[in-house]
Amino acid sequence: QVNLLQSGAALVKPGASVKLSCKASGYTFTDYYIHWVKQSHGKSLEWIGYINPNSGYTNYNEKFKSKATLTVDKSTNTAYMELSRLTSEDSATYYCTRFSYGGFPYWGQGVMVTVSS
Amino acid sequence: ETVMTQSPTSMSTSIGERVTLNCKASQSVGINVDWYQQTPGQSPKLLIYGASNRHTGVPDRFTGSGFGRDFTLTISNMEAEDLAVYYCLQYGSIPYTFGAGTKLELK
Repeated sequence: QVNLLQSGAALVKPGASVKLSCKASGYTFTDYYIHWVKQSHGKSLEWIGYINPNSGYTNYNEKFKSKATLTVDKSTNTAYMELSRLTSEDSATYYCTRFSYGGFPYWGQGVMVTVSS
Repeated sequence: ETVMTQSPTSMSTSIGERVTLNCKASQSVGINVDWYQQTPGQSPKLLIYGASNRHTGVPDRFTGSGFGRDFTLTISNMEAEDLAVYYCLQYGSIPYTFGAGTKLELK
């Protein structure tokens, strides 16, 4: 079955960077785009962008263009999102999710990022 | 950016009640709308894709409808397990955008 396993929670200092991982299994990794979504505590969801694991092509929400960098490692079926120059506004839960036929039926379990000194 | 406005923000419901949730897009998105259910501490769960298609395994008490700018999610016979926050998502244009959510609570 399809599974997206995300890395564990992260506590990072303001101004630092963090790289989150999302390991896919149960399907052909290069066949489906991986998307990333942000959810601040108690708030709604924000779409960050997607990556085509086959070509590496990315498409970002303008709001996150200077914040997030999406990459993949096809050898390990893992997608990554690096968040840079972290501030308290970046404290949130981040999800990876796989798009299929018009929806996101598969989600990672989410990873909480806390930015604090 | 397409803004998705959900109403109501919250709703008090009773078990067995029929519930209607609304989502309005700031511009036409065709049928490119999904509905998701989220309970505390869990990842969002896909209910409806393409405005009206029920995802595999979703109970038939959940029905989606709409086209263009106006979309509706109906729960025909509310059950306790349906208490959650519901989000609409449009993927008709980049950036994809979610509504702010509707929280269903018990009366």
